[in-house]
Formats: sequence, C-alpha cells, structure tokens
Amino acid sequence: GDSVTQMEGPVTLSEEAFLTINCTYTATGYPSLFWYVQYPGEGLQLLLKATKADDKGSNKGFEATYRKETTSFHLEKGSVQVSDSAVYFCALSLVAAGNKLTFGGGTRVLVKP
Amino acid sequence: EAGVAQSPRYKIIEKRQSVAFWCNPISGHATLYWYQQILGQGPKLLIQFQNNGVVDDSQLPKDRFSAERLKGVDSTLKIQPAKLEDSAVYLCASSSPASGGPGELFFGEGSRLTVL
Repeated sequence: GDSVTQMEGPVTLSEEAFLTINCTYTATGYPSLFWYVQYPGEGLQLLLKATKADDKGSNKGFEATYRKETTSFHLEKGSVQVSDSAVYFCALSLVAAGNKLTFGGGTRVLVKP
Repeated sequence: EAGVAQSPRYKIIEKRQSVAFWCNPISGHATLYWYQQILGQGPKLLIQFQNNGVVDDSQLPKDRFSAERLKGVDSTLKIQPAKLEDSAVYLCASSSPASGGPGELFFGEGSRLTVL
C-alpha cells in the first residue's frame, strides 16, 4: 500500500542552524506531496506542497523538491528560529484514493536559542 | 472564516465505557475526515465523508467505532466499548476544492482521549 517514511526525531538544533528532514514515499500512482506542521498546542496545518516531479514547494523559509527518481520530498530550511520548534509530518495524497492524506510518523524539531 | 471545531478537547474514560466526539467543519466544506493520532505516530485515517456519504471507512474498526454525518455538515465519532489502545488524539479535518487543491486539509485542534 501507499506509505511515507520520514526520519525519526527528535532533532535538536541551535538557532540559525540548517535543518533537513528526510522523507521518502511509496505509492501506486502519481501522488501529490505535502509537509504539514503541528506547533505546540495547535492543530495540523499545511506548510507546503508539490504536485508533480521537480516542483519545489516553499513557505516560511522552508523548501522541499519533489524527486520522482528517488521518491523523496526532503524538507530544508537554511536558518531555523526558536519559533520553528514543532512536529513536522510528510504526507502524500492520490486522486484515485479520494485525496485522503497518508502521513509519515512525524519528526519533532527543537530549536534552542 | 471559522476553522474546524471539535469537542470535547479532552476526555478520560475507563475501558469498556463509551465516548463520542463532535466535529463541525469549515462552512461549505463537503469532505470531512476523521483521523486517529496515537502518541508518537502520524495520523491514520479512520473515515472519510463526502457530504453525508462514506467514501472510505476501510480502516475504521467497525466492531467498536461508528461515525455519522447527518445532513452533510457536522459529524460524530463514537467508540463503544473503548479499549486501552484507543487512547489517542482524534483529529477532524475538512476540505473543499474552493479552499485549496487535492490533499489540502484543514484540521481541528483534536480531541484527546485517555482510556484507563
């Protein structure tokens, strides 16, 4: 079945450090890919998305590129802030599966001042 | 616009008791989802509604879980009887083509269930 695998956390960084969270997927078909974020005490919210190969999604300084050849969608940010501390979820959706989201296990990121 | 509303935010029950969670999606959103998020894991889809019809309930443990979406607006998820392994956060989400592309879901803050 369709699945998403992402690196386990927690990831602890200092402010202004470079962040990478790896995400790979398995899908029967051509999925759209997403990163969702869950800040402490808040609900899940969409961070960025990409719908076709080589697309780059970006938002709030975060970027991820849809790599079909490696079935990956790694999340990066060049200089993290304390406010980026959150749990990050990689996810995919397929039109043939009713556009439901299939999530990875989540990666907790803690940024220290 | 108002977001997805869920209640209660927290619920503690003993095993074999029953519990119900309520969700009111964003106005006009035809698609509604219930996800289960066990601590340390990603959310797992339980059921998806399109208006008041079920699109996907393949992962819903139907011997104890039930869900309905009467009139195609708000929804209720029920667990009866609860087991210890049902301890989780139950997330409701909604979507609409007018509010984003496929896979762009709007989530509520969740209902945290603890089964003792």
